[in-house]
Amino acid sequence: GAGVSQSPSNKVTEKGKDVELRCDPISGHTALYWYRQSLGQGLEFLIYFQGNSAPDKSGLPSDRFSAERTGGSVSTLTIQRTQQEDSAVYLCASSFRLRANYGYTFGSGTRLTVV
Amino acid sequence: SQKIEQNSEALNIQEGKTATLTCNYTNYSPAYLQWYRQDPGRGPVFLLLIRENEKEKRKERLKVTFDTTLKQSLFHITASQPADSATYLCALDLLNQAGTALIFGKGTTLSVSS
Repeated sequence: GAGVSQSPSNKVTEKGKDVELRCDPISGHTALYWYRQSLGQGLEFLIYFQGNSAPDKSGLPSDRFSAERTGGSVSTLTIQRTQQEDSAVYLCASSFRLRANYGYTFGSGTRLTVV
Repeated sequence: SQKIEQNSEALNIQEGKTATLTCNYTNYSPAYLQWYRQDPGRGPVFLLLIRENEKEKRKERLKVTFDTTLKQSLFHITASQPADSATYLCALDLLNQAGTALIFGKGTTLSVSS
């Protein structure tokens, strides 16, 4: 597509439920990144993919968080047993290559509210 | 500890003036430094990238400097317009550190009044 697409744009869930957030990157972009932005806070790095591989998962806040990428394209971030502190905007970005001299293209994010 | 600091949370200037935003970092050795613009409810938009061996980069009304000795980048918007009002984020690309992507500062919110 023309840009990075994220769905849903908004998600309200009850504490304890699982949620799946989807990211569809720009076609041909091999690198994909997930960030979280809480109100008044900066972007917190979660995980990146080079192709389908995530070399380092240490940025994920807890073992309730997991992410996968299939076919070198769509990625899913899953949060199990959601907690109120998980409420934030989850941003996905992609770039032509990992750590090349290109900027990232971000989606508009998924606003997650845990009630 | 490692930190990225943007000089202030908010900057208010008059239309036509030059806005200068500062990004300082400690205990990092970035290969690249990038600047992004973020509007409310939107994801950040890439503006400029500057490499560690470059002193200055320009794009239209934007100018970025990068001083690796001072560990500082300055971001200038000349002839500012109300449409420039947004939050500006600096980000470090830690090319030589495995397992990391761009690390962002918290941003400076610029308001340009007419």
